[in-house]
Amino acid sequence: SAVISQKPSRDICQRGTSLTIQCQVDSQVTMMFWYRQQPGQSLTLIATANQGSEATYESGFVIDKFPISRPNLTFSTLTVSNMSPEDSSIYLCSVRTGLTDTQYFGPGTRLTVL
Amino acid sequence: GENVEQHPSTLSVQEGDSAVIKCTYSDSASNYFPWYKQELGKRPQLIIDIRSNVGEKKDQRIAVTLNKTAKHFSLHITETQPEDSAVYFCAASPNTGNQFYFGTGTSLTVIP
Repeated sequence: SAVISQKPSRDICQRGTSLTIQCQVDSQVTMMFWYRQQPGQSLTLIATANQGSEATYESGFVIDKFPISRPNLTFSTLTVSNMSPEDSSIYLCSVRTGLTDTQYFGPGTRLTVL
Repeated sequence: GENVEQHPSTLSVQEGDSAVIKCTYSDSASNYFPWYKQELGKRPQLIIDIRSNVGEKKDQRIAVTLNKTAKHFSLHITETQPEDSAVYFCAASPNTGNQFYFGTGTSLTVIP
């Protein structure tokens, strides 16, 4: 299975600021995703991070608010821009390996916006 | 797109009893159905999965069944233990490389 790390693990931020979350995988993976999980809720896909091209965003999520980079097959970043308290959530990186459909999740970043 | 419904939202069982969680999906093209367990404060962990060419899969105390005709699949946990207490999510995926559609989750409590 893939080993996924995320930084930071948690942060408390002021409204109006931005936070960049990093996701690092120990092996090359075909697909990387970013999810949001609000307290007590299910997992909501924000976007698919595409290597070398613009991310593919789900309905309700836009690039200006959640810019994503994926410069190579093992690393991606998600930025939460111009934050408001409604952005308080856990953000999870997820990867799918090339050989199977198995999808693994990173440990998550717990974001609190004051 | 795919719509995955999951029931019940909460489930309490006595230790040693069985627990069953059910999910339905809408897209007949879905062919991969994983189940994740998420303990409090931790990441979702894959516990079992099933593909559409199989009707049932078992791994020790955990089993998953799939009914393609009815478009539903279920997670069965036998001889439950307190450490089975967690939130369980089902998911469906139409094709390899496509996104997963997650159910709303079931909070399972196993009472010692």
